Amino acid sequence: DGGITQSPKYLFRKEGQNVTLSCEQNLNHDAMYWYRQDPGQGLRLIYYSQIVNDFQKGDIAEGYSVSREKKESFPLTVTSAQKNPTAFYLCASRELAGVVTGELFFGEGSRLTVL
Amino acid sequence: GQNIDQPTEMTATEGAIVQINCTYQTSGFNGLFWYQQHAGEAPTFLSYNVLDGLEEKGRFSSFLSRSKGYSYLLLKELQMKDSASYLCAVKKDSGAGSYQLTFGKGTKLSVIP
Repeated sequence: DGGITQSPKYLFRKEGQNVTLSCEQNLNHDAMYWYRQDPGQGLRLIYYSQIVNDFQKGDIAEGYSVSREKKESFPLTVTSAQKNPTAFYLCASRELAGVVTGELFFGEGSRLTVL
Repeated sequence: GQNIDQPTEMTATEGAIVQINCTYQTSGFNGLFWYQQHAGEAPTFLSYNVLDGLEEKGRFSSFLSRSKGYSYLLLKELQMKDSASYLCAVKKDSGAGSYQLTFGKGTKLSVIP
């Protein structure tokens, strides 16, 4: 079945450590996104990419980094520079061309806790 | 910038009808999405409105008034499994097939027997 796979589902990190969250999609979508979700907050955009080897900062990119070496993969690294990294992270993708709504398809999320 | 308002929480009875409102203020509006998100899970697409009026999809309907900056999601014949958060998201085109999507904080719906 086509979909978006995020791993790990749960992750614990010590302060000062970098961690990388994986996101893989087999929907052949052009665009991929990373959002952060905190209690009582809307989803906030961290980074997005519309084509391989290119990506753009979202609203809260500081302390995060991404890469897009393959169309199906868009990993997110939460660096030690991120001041408050504990959150639920959602990866999403969508088709760009020839679509009516262009809705996002989301992965199951990765919950990161900093100890 | 964009400002999106939704009620934080709502409670409704199984079998009843509930309306979740979303108001927004934005320039360059080009559509509004509703997503459903069960706790700890991925948001799933429910509906999309770009023109004024009502879009019906089974038990769920979504309405849009562009002039009023207002949308609602209507859930009929509520079931216990409808207990979830409902996210309103406003779309703003940014050219070349790209768009910006701003999410509201979500409305947590609790369906009680």
